[in-house]
Amino acid sequence: GDSVTQMEGPVTLSEEAFLTINCTYTATGYPSLFWYVQYPGEGLQLLLKATKADDKGSNKGFEATYRKETTSFHLEKGSVQVSDSAVYFCALSDSSASKIIFGSGTRLSIRP
Amino acid sequence: EADIYQTPRYLVIGTGKKITLECSQTMGHDKMYWYQQDPGMELHLIHYSYGVNSTEKGDLSSESTVSRIRTEHFPLTLESARPSHTSQYLCASRIGGSAEAFFGQGTRLTVV
Repeated sequence: GDSVTQMEGPVTLSEEAFLTINCTYTATGYPSLFWYVQYPGEGLQLLLKATKADDKGSNKGFEATYRKETTSFHLEKGSVQVSDSAVYFCALSDSSASKIIFGSGTRLSIRP
Repeated sequence: EADIYQTPRYLVIGTGKKITLECSQTMGHDKMYWYQQDPGMELHLIHYSYGVNSTEKGDLSSESTVSRIRTEHFPLTLESARPSHTSQYLCASRIGGSAEAFFGQGTRLTVV
C-alpha cells in the first residue's frame, strides 16, 4: 500500500542554519503531497503542498519540490528561526484513496 | 483559518466514565477523520467517514465509536474510559479527492 517515510528526529539546529527534512513516498497512483506543521499543544496546519510532478510548494520561506523520479518531497528552508521549532509531517493523498497517509513526524528544535 | 472545532480542549476524567469528544466543521466537507496521537507524535487513524451515515474503522484498533448524522458533526464516544485511552485526539476534514485535510486544535484526554 501507499506509505510515507520521513527523516527521524529530533533535529536540532542553530538559528539561521539551513534546514532539510527528507521525505520519500511509495504510491501506486499519482498522489498529491503535503507538509504539515504542528506547534506545541495545537493541531496540524498545512504548510505547503504540491499536486503533480515537478511542482514546487512554498510558504513562510519553506519549499518542497515533487520529484517523481526519486519519489521524494524534501522540505527545505534557507534560514531557520526559533519560531520554526515544531513537529513536521510529510503526507500524501491519492485521488482514489479515502485517507491521507502521514509520515511519523520530525521534531525540529532551533537554538537562538 | 480552518473552520473546524473540537471541544473540549482538555479533559481529565475518571476510569469507567462515558465521554464524547465533539468535532464540528462549517466547510461542508464530506470526509471526516479521527486520529489518535501518541507521545511519540505519530498519528494513528482510528475512524473516518465518507459522509452522512457512513463510518469506517481506521488502521488502529480503538474501543471508541463514532456517528455521522449531520455533515458538519462527527463526535467520538468512549463508553468506558480507561487510563490506556489517555492521549491527544485530533479531528480533521477535507473535501475529498486529493485535497488537503484541515485539522481541529485537538482534545487532550487524561483518564485517571
